[in-house]
Amino acid sequence: NAGVTQTPKFQVLKTGQSMTLQCAQDMNHNSMYWYRQDPGMGLRLIYYSASEGTTDKGEVPNGYNVSRLNKREFSLRLESAAPSQTSVYFCASSELYGGLGNQPQHFGDGTRLSIL
Amino acid sequence: SQKIEQNSEALNIQEGKTATLTCNYTNYSPAYLQWYRQDPGRGPVFLLLIRENEKEKRKERLKVTFDTTLKQSLFHITASQPADSATYLCALHTGNQFYFGTGTSLTVIP
Repeated sequence: NAGVTQTPKFQVLKTGQSMTLQCAQDMNHNSMYWYRQDPGMGLRLIYYSASEGTTDKGEVPNGYNVSRLNKREFSLRLESAAPSQTSVYFCASSELYGGLGNQPQHFGDGTRLSIL
Repeated sequence: SQKIEQNSEALNIQEGKTATLTCNYTNYSPAYLQWYRQDPGRGPVFLLLIRENEKEKRKERLKVTFDTTLKQSLFHITASQPADSATYLCALHTGNQFYFGTGTSLTVIP
């Protein structure tokens, strides 16, 4: 049971380069999320997709775009990478969008991204 | 904005003792609060969630309390084991946003 799979696991970019982080889940979940985790900051929500066909901004969306390709896949794109975007990026999914916070989230193991 | 605070200092305890981790929040009254475990180099793993009208929730050696008056949740691990060593995160949802605490690092010493 793979759960949530993120690719790549590691990436080094130069400032100004673009790249797309991929995420796929095999649990038939409706909702998917992208977070970044920085030391001392905790996990911060970048974008989420409550259901296939919808996406919404999270707490820190600037500099990112997302695509909910289908029910399984949710990608995160950095159009012009900046050093401030060096972070560990986590994708997560939940069965439903827990508007009250009652839906457990299942996380991938992250993409470690360094921008020089 | 919503703010969640967890013990910033690492917690070291002896095997067999009870570990107690604290999560405090401000500016909102969440309907639910969640706890996750995160091991180095891995994503968080869901452990428990508790509703605002539940004072206490248990799962095996884990116990969570939720005091909406104090705006605080306590996470207890009884009969702790070295395998419980990890970082523990609390999380809540408000205003269409999910917020996570920075986590508390727990080390259980054999």
